[in-house]
Amino acid sequence: QKEVEQDPGPLSVPEGAIVSLNCTYSNSAFQYFMWYRQYSRKGPELLMYTYSSGNKEDGRFTAQVDKSSKYISLFIRDSQPSDSATYLCAMSVGNSGNTPLVFGKGTRLSVIA
Amino acid sequence: GAVVSQHPSRVICKSGTSVKIECRSLDFQATTMFWYRQFPKKSLMLMATSNEGSKATYEQGVEKDKFLINHASLTLSTLTVTSAHPEDSSFYICSASGVRGGELFFGEGSRLTVL
Repeated sequence: QKEVEQDPGPLSVPEGAIVSLNCTYSNSAFQYFMWYRQYSRKGPELLMYTYSSGNKEDGRFTAQVDKSSKYISLFIRDSQPSDSATYLCAMSVGNSGNTPLVFGKGTRLSVIA
Repeated sequence: GAVVSQHPSRVICKSGTSVKIECRSLDFQATTMFWYRQFPKKSLMLMATSNEGSKATYEQGVEKDKFLINHASLTLSTLTVTSAHPEDSSFYICSASGVRGGELFFGEGSRLTVL
């Protein structure tokens, strides 16, 4: 079993839809959870950063962490064509300042106008 | 937010040559930088952890003599692909820890194509 599992998609939704992206993991030591957005041929861009369990909201984006189920989610409300990208979940056991991240494979999202 | 600059963004070289990729933190000091490699439809694979002023720590399976990493200052780390071969063609990305603890910022990536 890989440490982080993420459905690669692709996922295609109409503009305005609510998008749900998910990752599961096996290492219960993970404490820090992140979502990155990566446009084609670009480096990943940090979207959401959460510590331990709970929800975090930032504009149209909501990140959820359920450590008991080892499951994290990213919700995108009122999706826009500009949200079309690959979304990577990532996590680490410690402060990623000196601890590398473990990434999911990424989910490719297309929002159709 | 913190900015990490990577250069060049794209490079094409002949087999057998060496290529250097630079990663700079523009508005913060990065004691630790990470180098990743990304294949199509695959996740980011950590290659090595680079600490300023010391030798890089390579992940299992990564040839340290082929992928030379130097982190000479708090704002610059370099990755040199030595004697590049077509199988080294990939997207290489660096990252550095942000000013807020626990966050990493990524460079734009460098697309290497070895002919």
